[in-house]
Amino acid sequence: EPEVTQTPSHQVTQMGQEVILRCVPISNHLYFYWYRQILGQKVEFLVSFYNNEISEKSEIFDDQFSVERPDGSNFTLKIRSTKLEDSAMYFCASSGGPIQPQHFGDGTRLSIL
Amino acid sequence: GQNIDQPTEMTATEGAIVQINCTYQTSGFNGLFWYQQHAGEAPTFLSYNVLDGLEEKGRFSSFLSRSKGYSYLPLKELQMKDSASYLCAVTKLIFGTGTRLQVFP
Repeated sequence: EPEVTQTPSHQVTQMGQEVILRCVPISNHLYFYWYRQILGQKVEFLVSFYNNEISEKSEIFDDQFSVERPDGSNFTLKIRSTKLEDSAMYFCASSGGPIQPQHFGDGTRLSIL
Repeated sequence: GQNIDQPTEMTATEGAIVQINCTYQTSGFNGLFWYQQHAGEAPTFLSYNVLDGLEEKGRFSSFLSRSKGYSYLPLKELQMKDSASYLCAVTKLIFGTGTRLQVFP
């Protein structure tokens, strides 16, 4: 069964550094998403992406965040200058349509020191 | 605004039946989705409803009433492996806090 893959599984970064989280969505999916989950808290929507542009973003997704689809398979989330409070699990998801079920990757655990 | 409410915790015994409820208030509705999340793992899709009624999907069915802003996930013949958090989400997805279900032998 096709799946969403994310790399790395764990990223440790110094505060203030840039970090790029990578995702390979399911190949025939057209809608891509990023979520985060701070330890012990609920899953929070960050951004949705379709047709090479952001379709929606949350208040969390400020100017420090950006997303990109650099080629036909990868979908990346960049945090420009990381803060301690960016420490969380980041999940990538993809779906075949805007109201189709989203399938999640295993996540990247981001630890900011 | 958007608001999703579900019980924080539930307990049950193996073989039992439970029903996890979810109420929501949202501006714009494209569907209600249920996910299972084991501790430290990613959410996995269980079931979803766009229209009212019961959507049957193997072990994981789900019911929706759009007029009442209400959904439930019935879990039958509980197994130990069903111990997890069950997340209700609407539209893009906006998640509830999840219901942590503990199944005891």
